Amino acid sequence: DGGITQSPKYLFRKEGQNVTLSCEQNLNHDAMYWYRQDPGQGLRLIYYSQIVNDFQKGDIAEGYSVSREKKESFPLTVTSAQKNPTAFYLCASSIESALGYTFGSGTRLTVV
Amino acid sequence: GENVEQHPSTLSVQEGDSAVIKCTYSDSASNYFPWYKQELGKRPQLIIDIRSNVGEKKDQRIAVTLNKTAKHFSLHITETQPEDSAVYFCAASKGSGGSYIPTFGRGTSLIVHP
Repeated sequence: DGGITQSPKYLFRKEGQNVTLSCEQNLNHDAMYWYRQDPGQGLRLIYYSQIVNDFQKGDIAEGYSVSREKKESFPLTVTSAQKNPTAFYLCASSIESALGYTFGSGTRLTVV
Repeated sequence: GENVEQHPSTLSVQEGDSAVIKCTYSDSASNYFPWYKQELGKRPQLIIDIRSNVGEKKDQRIAVTLNKTAKHFSLHITETQPEDSAVYFCAASKGSGGSYIPTFGRGTSLIVHP
């Protein structure tokens, strides 16, 4: 699966609930990223991490949280503070010195 | 910050025709310009990229051109095939050594009619 795995593929959430999206990579990549994709909006950066135990906010971090306790893992939590969470979420990783991402296959989150 | 504009948002061509997608960027310090292809329901995949010290790069039926003065770059697909149908994203970034964070265009939906 290209070395970077996102789960689950589909996720349904009730309003007011927090949910966590998983992203795991076995590529030994230093940097990992979370993007949100909406129709006609392209890819918008939520959070990124260039090293374990450190992460930075992207352009649309409000209502989301992340952790980077292991190099291989970068989970994203969509909190109840995110007002419009229904979207397609993509995780990506890259080697520090390399340019170009490897993307995961995505998680489609729907609020019901 | 960087701003990337991508046009057109939708492009419809007949099989065998050429397709051109254009992007402009705002930050003259940007030096790396990748293009990603995303087929329906699948992950984006890097198809070609170009650095600022190169004006053109080709890979079989696809090519990318860069005009640093005008701050625009384009993706060219020749002899299009139905399997080229997908959403294409351009991106621009600067920096290296881990500071590479691209700004993406909004995407172009390419439809190739058999």
